[in-house]
Amino acid sequence: QQQVKQSPQSLIVQKGGISIINCAYENTAFDYFPWYQQFPGKGPALLIAIRPDVSEKKEGRFTISFNKSAKQFSLHIMDSQPGDSATYFCAASMLGNQFYFGTGTSLTVIP
Amino acid sequence: KAGVTQTPRYLIKTRGQQVTLSCSPISGHRSVSWYQQTPGQGLQFLFEYFSETQRNKGNFPGRFSGRQFSNSRSEMNVSTLELGDSALYLCASTLLAGGDTQYFGPGTRLTVL
Repeated sequence: QQQVKQSPQSLIVQKGGISIINCAYENTAFDYFPWYQQFPGKGPALLIAIRPDVSEKKEGRFTISFNKSAKQFSLHIMDSQPGDSATYFCAASMLGNQFYFGTGTSLTVIP
Repeated sequence: KAGVTQTPRYLIKTRGQQVTLSCSPISGHRSVSWYQQTPGQGLQFLFEYFSETQRNKGNFPGRFSGRQFSNSRSEMNVSTLELGDSALYLCASTLLAGGDTQYFGPGTRLTVL
C-alpha cells in the first residue's frame, strides 16, 4: 500500500511559469512533510518542509500548501527556471519514525 | 563539513552473488537510514540504524541486512542477488534517531546481470 501518492509523474513547464506537484497521504498520524529535489547522479536534497500546524510555508520561489482535512499537500515552484529541472519527491513521517516517499515527479522547464 | 559518502559508487554483480555497500554519515550524525530507489517506485525504506542498533525496518526480504559501527559508519549487505535488486541504493544520515532532516549521499548504483 502506497502511503504517499504523488502526481503527476512528469511535468513540462515553460520558463517563468508555475510548477505544481501534488501529494496525498493516508495516515493522519504523519506530522512532518518534506519535499526533496534530486538531480541526475546525486542523492535527494531537502528543499522545504512543513508540519501540519500550518497551512502554507514559503521559501523563496518554493511554497508548500498543506490541506489537513483533505490529507493533501503540494509544492508550488514560482517563476520556474531551467535549473529547476530535476526530480521532486514528497515524503511523510510520523513521530520520528521512517519516511514514506512518493514515487517522484520529473520536472522539465523549457526555456 | 563533509557530506554523506557512499562507496562504491557503481557495482556490477551477477545473480546469486552477494554485495556489501558502505556509508559514512556526516560527522557527528548518529543515525543512518538506507533506501532503495527504482524508477516508478520512488524511494523504498530499507532500515535505520542508531547507536549500532536497528531502529526501524522496511518491508524487504531477509536477504537485505545491515549494520552500524561504533563510529556511525554503516554497511548494508544483499545476499543471493536477484535481477530485481538492480537499483540505486541511498544512504541518509540524521543527527539523532528520528531526526527530521535527512542528508542523502550520492548513492551506489547496483546492476545485477
